[in-house]
Amino acid sequence: DSGVTQTPKHLITATGQRVTLRCSPRSGDLSVYWYQQSLDQGLQFLIQYYNGEERAKGNILERFSAQQFPDLHSELNLSSLELGDSALYFCASAEWRAGANVLTFGAGSRLTVL
Amino acid sequence: GEDVEQSLFLSVREGDSSVINCTYTDSSSTYLYWYKQEPGAGLQLLTYIFSNMDMKQDQRLTVLLNKKDKHLSLRIADTQTGDSAIYFCAANFNKFYFGSGTKLNVKP
Repeated sequence: DSGVTQTPKHLITATGQRVTLRCSPRSGDLSVYWYQQSLDQGLQFLIQYYNGEERAKGNILERFSAQQFPDLHSELNLSSLELGDSALYFCASAEWRAGANVLTFGAGSRLTVL
Repeated sequence: GEDVEQSLFLSVREGDSSVINCTYTDSSSTYLYWYKQEPGAGLQLLTYIFSNMDMKQDQRLTVLLNKKDKHLSLRIADTQTGDSAIYFCAANFNKFYFGSGTKLNVKP
């Protein structure tokens, strides 16, 4: 158990729908990162939050949004879903370890859009 | 923009050494990382190296960094079937950038 919790583990939905993925970072970690892993595109950075504020944005579609709450858990909202949104969505939290910023990943949420 | 590249596949025999290579574009990266992803699981940190180091060894793992050529490698000694996984190289320059992953297949 990495200490980063993601729910749900699996989700099957239809095109046009909206889903919310949830992440709880490791205890004490203030940063949350979201990544999308699809078969043909590797690991794509979506967005980063630090202590409730957006810190960096990657290739996140306008149909996607995220937030980090005061208790530091984060949610990734995916709307108007398309077939191509089927992927594994990972959350990671960051800690400083011997001077290095290190990411610890959750087990992921597998989204299937039919 | 910033980029991290890896070859997609590597196949070795059990007991041999595996060498997984990675190149990156931004020399301002402070740390470079190797992560391992087993089937159906998240990414697990294997090791990382500070950018002013040339080499780091951790049991069966050896990381080599050539900063001039922006080349990072991970050597796994005495590769076992349990090492079969996808290995990701990552660089941290403002954001974390990951390579596409190298799928290591270890044949018995």
